[in-house]
Amino acid sequence: EDQVTQSPEALRLQEGESSSLNCSYTVSGLRGLFWYRQDPGKGPEFLFTLYSAGEEKEKERLKATLTKKESFLHITAPKPEDSATYLCAVQGSNNDMRFGAGTRLTVKP
Amino acid sequence: DTEVTQTPKHLVMGMTNKKSLKCEQHMGHRAMYWYKQKAKKPPELMFVYSYEKLSINESVPSRFSPECPNSSLLNLHLHALQPEDSALYLCASSPKGTSGYEQYFGPGTRLTVT
Repeated sequence: EDQVTQSPEALRLQEGESSSLNCSYTVSGLRGLFWYRQDPGKGPEFLFTLYSAGEEKEKERLKATLTKKESFLHITAPKPEDSATYLCAVQGSNNDMRFGAGTRLTVKP
Repeated sequence: DTEVTQTPKHLVMGMTNKKSLKCEQHMGHRAMYWYKQKAKKPPELMFVYSYEKLSINESVPSRFSPECPNSSLLNLHLHALQPEDSALYLCASSPKGTSGYEQYFGPGTRLTVT
């Protein structure tokens, strides 16, 4: 069965303090690894898709990377508006989208 | 238009009521999804429609009944729900089917069963 584990569960940073979020996964036949951002009471917002080990994608202060066993979401010089829950999801050969429990990020000014 | 809309935003229903949730997208996406999300938990997949046909049903109780009238619309019919069914119900869509494509989520319907 596909599994996704995210760490840490919660992360508190000072504004400008860079850090990384981890997503470890096991999946049969990776079709894609996805990163989403979710604000309280709202639907997840798509950030990145990664398809193969070695792939990297960037958007503003965020950079996502992928290996055969894990993905990292690097946050450079975060701002308070980056506070949210970041969700990782994997899709395997069965086409199910399985989400991790998320990392709740708080950025203090 | 890059939006998935859901109505209503909030719904309170008794255990004997029948109600429906509605989801709409006009991005030309060919796959649509229903998820259930409890507080501080990740979304859990309920149903998947690909090209208007039900392709995945994750062993959801029969009191939840999905319907896809056309490629832009997705409904979730609710009947005889239990208090533990209270949750945020999310609709999503993805382009060109279900394999390897990102999903775009609506804002959700907050359901309370009394």
